[in-house]
Amino acid sequence: QKEVEQDPGPLSVPEGAIVSLNCTYSNSAFQYFMWYRQYSRKGPELLMYTYSSGNKEDGRFTAQVDKSSKYISLFIRDSQPSDSATYLCAMSDTGGFKTIFGAGTRLFVKA
Amino acid sequence: ETGVTQSPTHLIKTRGQQVTLRCSSQSGHNTVSWYQQALGQGPQFIFQYYREEENGRGNFPPRFSGLQFPNYSSELNVNALELDDSALYLCASSVIQGNTDTQYFGPGTRLTVL
Repeated sequence: QKEVEQDPGPLSVPEGAIVSLNCTYSNSAFQYFMWYRQYSRKGPELLMYTYSSGNKEDGRFTAQVDKSSKYISLFIRDSQPSDSATYLCAMSDTGGFKTIFGAGTRLFVKA
Repeated sequence: ETGVTQSPTHLIKTRGQQVTLRCSSQSGHNTVSWYQQALGQGPQFIFQYYREEENGRGNFPPRFSGLQFPNYSSELNVNALELDDSALYLCASSVIQGNTDTQYFGPGTRLTVL
């Protein structure tokens, strides 16, 4: 079993839809949870960084962490074609050292 | 842009050869991590350097080695290349503050081993 499980998709939604992306994990020591966006032929770009459980909002993006269920989510409101990318969840027990990534979910937002 | 650069952009090598990939971190970042990203997969942690010393390693054999220099640049060296080494190699620089840091990724080097 992988430490971090993420559905690879692809996920296709119409412009303006609310997108929900999810990951599950098995290591209860993880305390730091990140979401990265990766465009084709580019490196990952940090979107959200959350410590422990709870919600964090930044513009159209909301990250949720449920440590009791070992489940994290990223919501994208009013999705745009420019949001089309691969979204990677990532987590660590020491805040950046030996970060474990999910496989990534490919998102397509259709105009 | 993150301010992290990598060279070369693409590289083609044959099995058994050796390769050196380079990364230039953001100014002031004392930590660099290297990742391997196979096609359709998430990045896998190779190792991390902090103040020019290896600070931890993932499940990669010793033929993967690295260096970090005082000018914030670093290298990833891979000896005895195998076909499975074909991947995107990413470096990420950061500043460790307490026990947290935010990693900034470069665009990667695409390595193809034939």
